[in-house]
Amino acid sequence: NAGVTQTPKFQVLKTGQSMTLQCAQDMNHNSMYWYRQDPGMGLRLIYYSASEGTTDKGEVPNGYNVSRLNKREFSLRLESAAPSQTSVYFCASKTGFSNQPQHFGDGTRLSIL
Amino acid sequence: KNQVEQSPQSLIILEGKNCTLQCNYTVSPFSNLRWYKQDTGRGPVSLTIMTFSENTKSNGRYTATLDADTKQSSLHITASQLSDSASYICVVSEWYSGGGADGLTFGKGTHLIIQP
Repeated sequence: NAGVTQTPKFQVLKTGQSMTLQCAQDMNHNSMYWYRQDPGMGLRLIYYSASEGTTDKGEVPNGYNVSRLNKREFSLRLESAAPSQTSVYFCASKTGFSNQPQHFGDGTRLSIL
Repeated sequence: KNQVEQSPQSLIILEGKNCTLQCNYTVSPFSNLRWYKQDTGRGPVSLTIMTFSENTKSNGRYTATLDADTKQSSLHITASQLSDSASYICVVSEWYSGGGADGLTFGKGTHLIIQP
Protein backbone atom coordinates (compact mmCIF):
# COMPACT_ATOMS: atom_id res chain seq x y z
CA ASN A 1 0.00 0.00 0.00
CA ALA A 2 2.04 2.94 -1.32
CA GLY A 3 -0.31 5.77 -0.22
CA VAL A 4 1.06 9.09 -1.52
CA THR A 5 4.24 8.91 -3.61
CA GLN A 6 6.35 11.97 -4.40
CA THR A 7 9.19 12.23 -6.88
CA PRO A 8 11.95 13.22 -6.78
CA LYS A 9 12.96 13.01 -3.11
CA PHE A 10 15.79 15.53 -3.51
CA GLN A 11 16.59 18.13 -6.13
CA VAL A 12 19.06 20.98 -6.52
CA LEU A 13 18.30 23.69 -9.07
CA LYS A 14 19.95 26.87 -10.21
CA THR A 15 18.05 30.15 -10.07
CA GLY A 16 15.86 30.50 -13.15
CA GLN A 17 15.60 26.79 -13.92
CA SER A 18 12.23 25.09 -14.09
CA MET A 19 11.07 21.76 -12.81
CA THR A 20 7.97 19.73 -12.00
CA LEU A 21 7.36 17.89 -8.76
CA GLN A 22 5.26 14.78 -9.18
CA CYS A 23 2.68 13.34 -6.80
CA ALA A 24 0.51 10.25 -7.13
CA GLN A 25 -1.93 8.60 -4.72
CA ASP A 26 -3.43 5.14 -4.87
CA MET A 27 -6.24 5.61 -2.32
CA ASN A 28 -8.88 6.85 -4.78
CA HIS A 29 -9.02 10.20 -2.96
CA ASN A 30 -10.85 13.12 -4.50
CA SER A 31 -8.85 15.97 -2.97
CA MET A 32 -5.15 16.64 -3.34
CA TYR A 33 -2.90 19.36 -1.93
CA TRP A 34 0.56 20.85 -2.23
CA TYR A 35 2.26 22.37 0.83
CA ARG A 36 5.64 23.81 1.59
CA GLN A 37 7.36 23.47 4.96
CA ASP A 38 10.07 25.90 6.01
CA PRO A 39 12.09 25.91 9.24
CA GLY A 40 10.21 27.57 12.08
CA MET A 41 6.98 27.78 10.11
CA GLY A 42 3.92 25.63 9.85
CA LEU A 43 2.90 23.90 6.67
CA ARG A 44 1.59 26.41 4.16
CA LEU A 45 -0.85 25.54 1.39
CA ILE A 46 0.32 26.36 -2.12
CA TYR A 47 -2.46 24.92 -4.30
CA TYR A 48 -5.18 22.34 -3.92
CA SER A 49 -7.53 20.33 -6.08
CA ALA A 50 -10.89 19.51 -4.52
CA SER A 51 -11.70 17.08 -7.31
CA GLU A 52 -10.42 15.92 -10.67
CA GLY A 53 -10.55 18.80 -13.12
CA THR A 54 -10.41 21.62 -10.56
CA THR A 55 -7.54 23.50 -8.98
CA ASP A 56 -7.44 26.52 -6.68
CA LYS A 57 -4.87 28.77 -5.08
CA GLY A 58 -3.92 28.39 -1.46
CA GLU A 59 -2.06 30.72 0.87
CA VAL A 60 1.23 31.02 -1.06
CA PRO A 61 0.65 30.32 -4.81
CA ASN A 62 3.00 32.89 -6.35
CA GLY A 63 5.72 31.34 -8.50
CA TYR A 64 3.95 27.98 -8.82
CA ASN A 65 1.52 26.26 -11.15
CA VAL A 66 -0.28 22.95 -10.79
CA SER A 67 -1.93 20.33 -12.95
CA ARG A 68 -4.44 17.70 -11.82
CA LEU A 69 -3.57 15.22 -14.53
CA ASN A 70 -6.19 12.66 -13.44
CA LYS A 71 -7.69 11.48 -10.17
CA ARG A 72 -4.39 9.92 -9.06
CA GLU A 73 -1.84 12.56 -10.05
CA PHE A 74 -1.27 16.18 -9.04
CA SER A 75 1.91 17.94 -10.16
CA LEU A 76 3.52 21.18 -9.01
CA ARG A 77 5.62 23.24 -11.41
CA LEU A 78 8.19 25.92 -10.72
CA GLU A 79 8.56 27.91 -13.93
CA SER A 80 11.56 30.02 -12.91
CA ALA A 81 13.00 28.86 -9.60
CA ALA A 82 14.10 31.43 -7.02
CA PRO A 83 16.17 30.92 -3.84
CA SER A 84 13.05 31.81 -1.78
CA GLN A 85 11.48 28.61 -3.07
CA THR A 86 14.07 26.48 -1.29
CA SER A 87 11.88 24.33 0.93
CA VAL A 88 10.47 20.89 1.59
CA TYR A 89 7.37 20.27 -0.50
CA PHE A 90 4.66 17.89 0.65
CA CYS A 91 1.79 16.48 -1.34
CA ALA A 92 -1.30 15.24 0.48
CA SER A 93 -4.60 13.63 -0.42
CA LYS A 94 -7.89 13.00 1.31
CA THR A 95 -11.41 11.73 0.71
CA GLY A 96 -14.23 14.20 0.39
CA PHE A 97 -15.43 13.69 3.98
CA SER A 98 -14.53 16.62 6.22
CA ASN A 99 -13.34 14.68 9.30
CA GLN A 100 -11.02 12.38 7.43
CA PRO A 101 -7.27 13.08 7.69
CA GLN A 102 -5.02 14.23 4.94
CA HIS A 103 -2.47 11.58 3.97
CA PHE A 104 0.97 13.02 3.25
CA GLY A 105 3.82 11.88 1.07
CA ASP A 106 7.38 11.94 2.40
CA GLY A 107 8.26 15.19 0.69
CA THR A 108 10.61 16.58 -1.93
CA ARG A 109 13.60 18.50 -0.59
CA LEU A 110 14.34 21.27 -3.04
CA SER A 111 17.34 23.62 -2.95
CA ILE A 112 17.61 26.60 -5.28
CA LEU A 113 21.13 27.99 -5.64
CA LYS B 1 -6.81 35.84 11.46
CA ASN B 2 -6.93 32.19 12.50
CA GLN B 3 -3.89 31.13 14.48
CA VAL B 4 -2.56 27.97 16.13
CA GLU B 5 0.17 28.35 18.74
CA GLN B 6 2.10 25.36 20.08
CA SER B 7 4.33 25.13 23.10
CA PRO B 8 7.01 24.35 23.87
CA GLN B 9 8.90 24.76 20.60
CA SER B 10 11.19 21.93 21.62
CA LEU B 11 11.42 19.47 24.47
CA ILE B 12 13.99 16.92 25.59
CA ILE B 13 12.99 14.17 28.03
CA LEU B 14 14.42 10.85 29.18
CA GLU B 15 13.06 7.59 27.86
CA GLY B 16 10.25 6.28 30.04
CA LYS B 17 9.14 9.73 31.23
CA ASN B 18 5.80 11.36 30.44
CA CYS B 19 5.31 14.70 28.71
CA THR B 20 2.55 17.05 27.65
CA LEU B 21 2.46 19.25 24.56
CA GLN B 22 0.17 22.26 24.32
CA CYS B 23 -1.88 23.80 21.50
CA ASN B 24 -3.87 27.05 21.71
CA TYR B 25 -5.99 28.21 18.81
CA THR B 26 -8.16 31.10 17.70
CA VAL B 27 -9.82 29.34 14.76
CA SER B 28 -13.50 30.12 14.44
CA PRO B 29 -15.95 28.64 13.73
CA PHE B 30 -14.31 25.48 15.01
CA SER B 31 -14.80 22.12 13.33
CA ASN B 32 -12.12 19.75 14.61
CA LEU B 33 -8.56 19.55 15.92
CA ARG B 34 -6.08 16.96 14.81
CA TRP B 35 -2.63 16.02 16.09
CA TYR B 36 -0.05 14.80 13.60
CA LYS B 37 3.30 13.12 14.23
CA GLN B 38 6.11 13.91 11.81
CA ASP B 39 9.22 11.76 11.94
CA THR B 40 12.43 13.30 10.62
CA GLY B 41 12.47 13.14 6.83
CA ARG B 42 8.89 11.87 6.59
CA GLY B 43 5.46 13.36 6.03
CA PRO B 44 3.03 14.01 8.90
CA VAL B 45 0.83 11.13 10.04
CA SER B 46 -2.46 11.62 11.84
CA LEU B 47 -2.53 10.52 15.51
CA THR B 48 -5.97 11.60 16.60
CA ILE B 49 -8.86 13.91 15.78
CA MET B 50 -11.16 15.67 18.21
CA THR B 51 -14.46 17.35 17.45
CA PHE B 52 -16.32 19.95 19.47
CA SER B 53 -18.15 17.42 21.63
CA GLU B 54 -15.09 15.34 22.55
CA ASN B 55 -12.78 16.28 25.40
CA THR B 56 -10.50 13.23 25.59
CA LYS B 57 -9.30 10.70 23.05
CA SER B 58 -6.56 8.09 23.32
CA ASN B 59 -4.41 6.31 20.77
CA GLY B 60 -2.17 3.87 22.61
CA ARG B 61 0.26 5.88 24.74
CA TYR B 62 -1.01 9.15 23.23
CA THR B 63 -3.91 10.96 24.90
CA ALA B 64 -5.32 14.17 23.47
CA THR B 65 -7.58 16.53 25.36
CA LEU B 66 -9.69 19.42 24.10
CA ASP B 67 -11.25 22.34 25.94
CA ALA B 68 -13.38 24.07 23.31
CA ASP B 69 -14.36 26.83 25.72
CA THR B 70 -10.77 27.99 26.31
CA LYS B 71 -9.66 26.85 22.83
CA GLN B 72 -6.87 24.71 24.16
CA SER B 73 -5.71 21.19 23.44
CA SER B 74 -2.95 19.03 24.86
CA LEU B 75 -1.22 15.85 23.77
CA HIS B 76 0.05 13.68 26.60
CA ILE B 77 2.61 10.97 25.90
CA THR B 78 2.95 8.27 28.53
CA ALA B 79 6.07 6.16 29.14
CA SER B 80 7.96 7.73 26.25
CA GLN B 81 9.99 5.61 23.86
CA LEU B 82 12.88 6.49 21.57
CA SER B 83 10.51 6.15 18.61
CA ASP B 84 8.44 9.04 19.98
CA SER B 85 11.22 11.43 18.93
CA ALA B 86 9.50 13.54 16.26
CA SER B 87 7.71 16.80 15.63
CA TYR B 88 4.10 16.97 16.76
CA ILE B 89 1.85 19.27 14.79
CA CYS B 90 -1.53 20.61 15.91
CA VAL B 91 -3.94 21.33 13.05
CA VAL B 92 -7.28 23.06 13.54
CA SER B 93 -10.05 22.90 10.97
CA GLU B 94 -12.48 25.74 10.42
CA TRP B 95 -16.08 24.85 9.76
CA TYR B 96 -16.76 25.38 6.08
CA SER B 97 -19.58 24.77 3.69
CA GLY B 98 -17.83 22.07 1.68
CA GLY B 99 -15.18 21.54 -0.97
CA GLY B 100 -12.24 23.88 -1.04
CA ALA B 101 -9.09 23.87 1.04
CA ASP B 102 -10.55 22.33 4.23
CA GLY B 103 -9.96 25.55 6.15
CA LEU B 104 -6.92 24.13 7.95
CA THR B 105 -4.58 26.15 10.14
CA PHE B 106 -1.30 24.43 11.03
CA GLY B 107 0.76 25.03 14.14
CA LYS B 108 4.54 25.23 13.84
CA GLY B 109 4.99 22.04 15.82
CA THR B 110 6.79 20.88 18.95
CA HIS B 111 10.08 19.10 18.36
CA LEU B 112 10.36 16.27 20.89
CA ILE B 113 13.59 14.43 21.58
CA ILE B 114 13.63 11.30 23.73
CA GLN B 115 17.03 10.54 25.22
CA PRO B 116 18.04 7.03 26.36
